[in-house]
Amino acid sequence: AQSVAQPEDQVNVAEGNPLTVKCTYSVSGNPYLFWYVQYPNRGLQFLLKYITGDNLVKGSYGFEAEFNKSQTSFHLKKPSALVSDSALYFCAVRADGGYNKLIFGAGTRLAVHP
Amino acid sequence: GAVVSQHPSWVICKSGTSVKIECRSLDFQATTMFWYRQFPKQSLMLMATSNEGSKATYEQGVEKDKFLINHASLTLSTLTVTSAHPEDSSFYICSARTAGAGGEQFFGPGTRLTVL
Repeated sequence: AQSVAQPEDQVNVAEGNPLTVKCTYSVSGNPYLFWYVQYPNRGLQFLLKYITGDNLVKGSYGFEAEFNKSQTSFHLKKPSALVSDSALYFCAVRADGGYNKLIFGAGTRLAVHP
Repeated sequence: GAVVSQHPSWVICKSGTSVKIECRSLDFQATTMFWYRQFPKQSLMLMATSNEGSKATYEQGVEKDKFLINHASLTLSTLTVTSAHPEDSSFYICSARTAGAGGEQFFGPGTRLTVL
C-alpha cells in the first residue's frame, strides 16, 4: 500500500534562513512524487514533482526537492525562506503507471518569522 | 498551468437540503476527476474517483448514496451532497487529471460547505 509520512506538524524558520520540510514515502514500484502548497481557504498549488531523471528537482517560487531512493525520502528545500512562504505544505505519492491514486501526507505547516 | 474551477466557493445550507458543487477543467480535458474532503488542519481525504461517462469509484467508508458524483463530460464533474447534515460541513476540493499514464493532477480552489 502507498503511504506518505510528514514527520513534522510544524516547521519554524527565520526569514532568510534555509528551510527543509521532510517527507518519506512507501510505494510499490517506482514513485511519482509531488509537493503542493495550500494557503488558507484555498485549493492546492503545485510546487514540483519527481517522475524520473535528475534526483534534484527545481520547482516554483525557488523551492527544490531531492529524491533519495535509498532513504525513500523527498524533502522539500529552499535556500532562503520568505515570510510569504508561510503556508501548509503537502507531500504526495503515486505509484508508477500514473493511473493510481495520489496519496497525501498529513501536511506540515511552515511558519517563517521576520 | 491548467486551471480547475469550482462553484460555489462557499455555501451555507440548512440541514436536510441537498447541495451541488461543480468542478470544471477550464483549458484541458480531464478524463479523470477526483473529489477530496479536508477537515480543519488535516490532510486531504480522497472521497471518490470519477472517469468521464462511467460510475464513480468511492473510497471505503464514503457513502455513495450521500455523495452523488456525476462526470458527464470531459470538463465537468459534480458532487451533490444529499440530505446534508452538520457533520458534512467541510472543505471539498476537486481535482482533474490530464489524460495518459503520466497525467498531471490539478486542483480546484475548494468549496467550503457549512450545514446549519
